[in-house]
Amino acid sequence: QVQLQESGPGLVKPSETLSLTCSVSGYSIRSGNYWAWIRQPPGKRLEWIGSMYHSGATYYNPSLKSRVTISVDTSKNQFSLKVNSVTAADTAVYYCASRAVTTANYFDPWGQGILVTVSS
Amino acid sequence: EIVMTQSPATLSVSPGESATLSCRASQSVSSNLAWYQQRPGQAPRLLIYGASSRATGIPARFSGSGSGTEFTLTISSLQSEDFAVYFCQQYNSWPTFGQGTKLEIK
Repeated sequence: QVQLQESGPGLVKPSETLSLTCSVSGYSIRSGNYWAWIRQPPGKRLEWIGSMYHSGATYYNPSLKSRVTISVDTSKNQFSLKVNSVTAADTAVYYCASRAVTTANYFDPWGQGILVTVSS
Repeated sequence: EIVMTQSPATLSVSPGESATLSCRASQSVSSNLAWYQQRPGQAPRLLIYGASSRATGIPARFSGSGSGTEFTLTISSLQSEDFAVYFCQQYNSWPTFGQGTKLEIK
């Protein structure tokens, strides 16, 4: 079964770039599926950041599109998230998740999540 | 953006009883609605998709209903492991989530 694990720095300075990686096990990224990032700021609701198909097609939340990049590294069976010009509002638990090609746009499974704090 | 509103924010129920959680969409999402469970320290788990279809391995005591703008998640015969946070997600448009309902032991 697919398992996902986020990794990356837990602290990022304002105006810098947040970079996270999701390692996928139990499934080859190049076989298909959509790969997504979702975040939850403290005390707020979950927010879909964006999704990427293994072939490279990307879909982003319109409110974040200008600052976000999702990419896939099939050689490492990983996908990544970059958020540019971060502020305190980007402090959140970041989750990676998957969506099967044959299903609609809901997510299963999810990673455990990683807390990223934006602070100087 | 489709705004999802869940109620109540917290629900206190005794083990063995049933719980009914609500989710409302700001505009119709047809049956494009999913429910997730999140236990403390764990990854969110998909429970229901298509408003009423149980995901693989989800017990029959979890059931979903509704369409359009009004949706319900019902959990019957509550067990200790069911006390968690539940949130809904619409996928009729780009995905948006409800703010969650915390189901706690009474």
